[in-house]
Amino acid sequence: GENVEQHPSTLSVQEGDSAVIKCTYSDSASNYFPWYKQELGKRPQLIIDIRSNVGEKKDQRIAVTLNKTAKHFSLHITETQPEDSAVYFCAASRGGNEKLTFGTGTRLTIIP
Amino acid sequence: GAVVSQHPSRVICKSGTSVKIECRSLDFQATTMFWYRQFPKKSLMLMATSNEGSKATYEQGVEKDKFLINHASLTLSTLTVTSAHPEDSSFYICSASGRGAGNEQFFGPGTRLTVL
Repeated sequence: GENVEQHPSTLSVQEGDSAVIKCTYSDSASNYFPWYKQELGKRPQLIIDIRSNVGEKKDQRIAVTLNKTAKHFSLHITETQPEDSAVYFCAASRGGNEKLTFGTGTRLTIIP
Repeated sequence: GAVVSQHPSRVICKSGTSVKIECRSLDFQATTMFWYRQFPKKSLMLMATSNEGSKATYEQGVEKDKFLINHASLTLSTLTVTSAHPEDSSFYICSASGRGAGNEQFFGPGTRLTVL
């Protein structure tokens, strides 16, 4: 089955700086890669996703890159703000309606 | 986006009792629902996938006789934790995908189960 690894497990960044979180996956049939933000005791919130037919996608301060050959994808958050502090999970699946395999999570702390 | 609700949000029960958790899609037809479990400070782990009208597919290591899943309609799936024990205490989250929800899945708010 699919295996998703995520690094780093914790990340502290000064407010205004950029944060990068990286994930690798093992299943070459995976073609959907969402990123979720989760606050304590809440549901995961989809913040951005990318499908295998594109290499990069951007939405305001958030961007995701995908390298299918190397089987890795990354989340980039620019101009970080205190409200960006949360746990972020990457995930992979064989389609948007298919089961998700999650990474182990990154606790991001933005230092004011 | 599409809306998924879960009930109850929190439940505390005694060891040995059974607990039922409901997951509902409010504004779309959920042809597929997923049940995840999340232990404190850990990731979400898929327990099972259920398609409306058929038996759930359980992930390796998940006991199907302990975690009973029913998906009898296009808007409702239930997870029953039978003979609950303290080690079953966790955050249980459902997600749903289907007609009218685009090509992604939507998460419920989760149920915090505490077994005493």
